[in-house]
Amino acid sequence: LAKTTQPISMDSYEGQEVNITCSHNNIATNDYITWYQQFPSQGPRFIIQGYKTKVTNEVASLFIPADRKSSTLSLPRVSLSDTAVYYCLVGDIKGNKLVFGAGTILRVKS
Amino acid sequence: EAQVTQNPRYLITVTGKKLTVTCSQNMNHEYMSWYRQDPGLGLRQIYYSMNVEVTDKGDVPEGYKVSRKEKRNFPLILESPSPNQTSLYFCASGRDREQFFGPGTRLTVL
Repeated sequence: LAKTTQPISMDSYEGQEVNITCSHNNIATNDYITWYQQFPSQGPRFIIQGYKTKVTNEVASLFIPADRKSSTLSLPRVSLSDTAVYYCLVGDIKGNKLVFGAGTILRVKS
Repeated sequence: EAQVTQNPRYLITVTGKKLTVTCSQNMNHEYMSWYRQDPGLGLRQIYYSMNVEVTDKGDVPEGYKVSRKEKRNFPLILESPSPNQTSLYFCASGRDREQFFGPGTRLTVL
């Protein structure tokens, strides 16, 4: 199983860009990389997913280098409401176990 | 409204008293999964199911059972709960590699 490693916490200010990196050295060929956001007392919520290179949607970008041993979630111009725990997930629901990282607590300050 | 529901949301029980946490989804997803969340450990997968009558162990299956007799339901069964199963439990269903999580069940085993 691909084990993932993320920073425990990060602090930022409103309006800044935040980059959270996840390390997954043992990622398998069929594994996708997915990021989830979790607020207190709620279930995780899907943010973005990718396999390689760069993926962008309306809330975030995901950068995956060619060796796929790490990935970086980029949140542009964060606001106070982006304060949450962010999880990196490696795997594929089409057949494998899924392994979440321990999560990164992002605190956005005004 | 598309959703994953879990019941009960909160449960306090005693060691050895069998319990079932129900999970239901109305999105016609084939994939369903159970996770537990503990401080500092993030989300760990207990069991998952790729379809009706197909279930597989995740990372931490010991002490748990599941069944998938219908597509929409995926109950989690604790035959003889122990205090180390005190945790926050999430059910999820998924399609196209994206998972949708329920609101969570907070279980305390005394």
